Amino acid sequence: GAVVSQHPSRVICKSGTSVKIECRSLDFQATTMFWYRQFPKQSLMLMATSNEGSKATYEQGVEKDKFLINHASLTLSTLTVTSAHPEDSSFYICSARGGGRNQPQHFGDGTRLSIL
Amino acid sequence: KQEVTQIPAALSVPEGENLVLNCSFTDSAIYNLQWFRQDPGKGLTSLLLIQSSQREQTSGRLNASLDKSSGRSTLYIAASQPGDSATYLCAVPPGSSNTGKLIFGQGTTLQVKP
Repeated sequence: GAVVSQHPSRVICKSGTSVKIECRSLDFQATTMFWYRQFPKQSLMLMATSNEGSKATYEQGVEKDKFLINHASLTLSTLTVTSAHPEDSSFYICSARGGGRNQPQHFGDGTRLSIL
Repeated sequence: KQEVTQIPAALSVPEGENLVLNCSFTDSAIYNLQWFRQDPGKGLTSLLLIQSSQREQTSGRLNASLDKSSGRSTLYIAASQPGDSATYLCAVPPGSSNTGKLIFGQGTTLQVKP
């Protein structure tokens, strides 16, 4: 089945560091990928839609200058948390949809970000 | 604005029991509904996807039903096993089109005791 790979799985870094997270679709092309954030014991909240070859679309309340998204190819989207602070600590998950509008979403394994 | 609610928030059952997880959504004009499984500290695994024109989908011991008019879906797990222990999430696209965005419920955390 379709596989989405997310890297790294865990990051621990100091406040002020910028962190890049990669999301790759391994066996299908994804013109659109999605980035979600999940706080402990809460559900996933959509942060932004990553569009190949164009600017990302951010959900209300998400700072686009804080969370930089690049979708340079049909198989790779990156999320960069710039100048991360402790409140940015969370579980970040990407997803991609395979070819066709009726295909299910496939999710990466997530990245646990901890800012000290 | 679409809202998704899942009941119960947590469930603990002995191995072998059949169980039902509930999902409700406020706007019945959905394109489809998807059920996911999430293991602790992991991403999501897609279990079943039901199109708006369908009433149910089955995969192995799992059966998902959809009643659009009442804004409800159920996930039925037959003969539960300890390996079924996980959090189960349902999700729908916002609005009646399939942009790929999803709105998730809070999930039901299931524990199946051996």
